[in-house]
This record gives sequence, C-alpha cells and structure tokens, in this order.
Amino acid sequence: DSGVTQTPKHLITATGQRVTLRCSPRSGDLSVYWYQQSLDQGLQFLIQYYNGEERAKGNILERFSAQQFPDLHSELNLSSLELGDSALYFCASSVENGRYTFGSGTRLTVV
Amino acid sequence: GEDVEQSLFLSVREGDSSVINCTYTDSSSTYLYWYKQEPGAGLQLLTYIFSNMDMKQDQRLTVLLNKKDKHLSLRIADTQTGDSAIYFCAESPLNSGNTPLVFGKGTRLSVIA
Repeated sequence: DSGVTQTPKHLITATGQRVTLRCSPRSGDLSVYWYQQSLDQGLQFLIQYYNGEERAKGNILERFSAQQFPDLHSELNLSSLELGDSALYFCASSVENGRYTFGSGTRLTVV
Repeated sequence: GEDVEQSLFLSVREGDSSVINCTYTDSSSTYLYWYKQEPGAGLQLLTYIFSNMDMKQDQRLTVLLNKKDKHLSLRIADTQTGDSAIYFCAESPLNSGNTPLVFGKGTRLSVIA
C-alpha cells in the first residue's frame, strides 16, 4: 500500500457518459497530480493541485475537470466520454517536488 | 517544449547487467528521476540524481548523468526476474518547487531466466 488511494480500480462506461475518479493522497502530502497513461502516449500530465488550488495544467481536455477538497482528496471528472479516453488514470501525491507517491490507478474502459 | 526519450524495450538474461538510457531536453532540470512500474501497479520512485552529480549508486542501481549531452542512464547489476517492469525516466522541467514531472514513455525490461 503506497498510501495513495484511488477509487474505483476499474470502470466500464458507455460513450457520452460522465465519470468521477477519486484520489486520497498520502497523509501530509499537499500536492496532487493526475496523469493519464495510454499505450501510445505514455504518461501524460493532466493537472496539479496544491493545498486546494490549481497549480499547473497539462494536456487536459476541456471535457475533463478536477478539484481538490479541503481534506486534500481530489476528484477528476471526465464527461462526454469517447472511446479514446480509455486509459489508466493515475493520481500521485508529493510533499517534495519530484518524489511522487503513485496510487494504483483507475482503469477506465469506454465502450 | 520538454521531451524525454527512452527506448521502448530491453531484454536481458538473468544475472546480466541492464542499462536503460534516457535523453531529456530541459537543461535547467534540477533533479532527474527513475521510476519503476510493475504489472498492474502504479509507478514507484526508484532513485533520483541531483543535476550537479555525475553518478549515484544505490545497491544494485547506478545512475549516470551526462549533463552536457542531456543523457541519463540506469544500470541494474545482477538483473533478476523480479526486475521485469517498465522503467520511466522523468525530469523536473523548471527549477522551482512542485512543478509536474515530465515522463518518458517508459522502457519495458524483460528478464529471461
């Protein structure tokens, strides 16, 4: 157990639907990062939060949004889902830059 | 923009040394990292090197950094079947706190018994 908890582990949904992925960071970590991992694109940075505020944005589609709550857990919302959104979505947390602790990911399958 | 390049596959025999190579683009990166991803799991930090160092050794792992060529390598001595995984190189592209890492696409290491 890395200390970063992601739920659900697996998600199968239809095109056009909306899903929410949840992440609880390791205790004491203020930064939360979301990454998307696909076979052809590798690990793509989506968005970062630090202590409740958005800190950096990467290749995140407009159909996707995220937030970090006062208890520091974070949610990634994916809407109007397309087949190409099928991927592994990882959350990571850190207290120091670069030394990330990753969750075990949510595997999203859009059918 | 930032880019991290790695070869996609490496196959070695058990007991041999593995060398995984990486090139990066941002010369201002303060730290460079190696992460390991085992099947069905998230990435795990293996080791990292500060940019003013040439080499760092940690048990079976040796990291070499050539800052002039922006080349980073990870050597695993006496490779075991348990080392089979995907290895990611990552750079921190801006010399400021808490900026997101840029990862390579990962090198899949297969260890043949």
